[in-house]
Amino acid sequence: AQTVTQSQPEMSVQEAETVTLSCTYDTSESNYYLFWYKQPPSRQMILVIRQEAYKQQNATENRFSVNFQKAAKSFSLKISDSQLGDTAMYFCAFMKHYTGTASKLTFGTGTRLQVTL
Amino acid sequence: NAGVMQNPRHLVRRRGQEARLRCSPMKGHSHVYWYRQLPEEGLKFMVYLQKENIIDESGMPKERFSAEFPKEGPSILRIQQVVRGDSAAYFCASSLGTSGAYNEQFFGPGTRLTVL
Repeated sequence: AQTVTQSQPEMSVQEAETVTLSCTYDTSESNYYLFWYKQPPSRQMILVIRQEAYKQQNATENRFSVNFQKAAKSFSLKISDSQLGDTAMYFCAFMKHYTGTASKLTFGTGTRLQVTL
Repeated sequence: NAGVMQNPRHLVRRRGQEARLRCSPMKGHSHVYWYRQLPEEGLKFMVYLQKENIIDESGMPKERFSAEFPKEGPSILRIQQVVRGDSAAYFCASSLGTSGAYNEQFFGPGTRLTVL
């Protein structure tokens, strides 16, 4: 079974600064996907960024980027130029790759990020 | 293109009653997933369905819980004889397909179930 660990329950960052959220996972699979989801106070789950394990290049989406270390099973999220609207719970998630069928997401326990003025 | 829709958004039930949660996937999506989020916790997978079939129910409690995704209409998560421990937010997600970019799961706004 896969496990996802987020060791930082809460973090705080000042507006316009950079913050990195940590995530480690455990799996015996070689082909899989990793995701970061954001859950603001509205509780809507919003996909922030995804990474395919077979790709060595780290994914980037505007101010969000990841540091994917496959050997270390680490998948951290960096938020640059933090904005007040980034205040939310952030969940790291893992998905196995299957051929011909979809798969469930396994989530970490989340990191609550507070962006301050 | 409307997103994933869930209703009701809030549901209050007394112990022993039945709860029915509905999920309409995004247009064209035939894969539906249900997750449960207990207070202050992450989301936990419950069940994965594809039109008329349950593909993976490894996260579903063995008793009182059932799910369906009929050929026509929304997916239904049904909880019989609810207990206080069932109080949680229930999220539905849908995906277009099974691999590559098609396996991205889009989430609905959730149904918050409160059991009195």
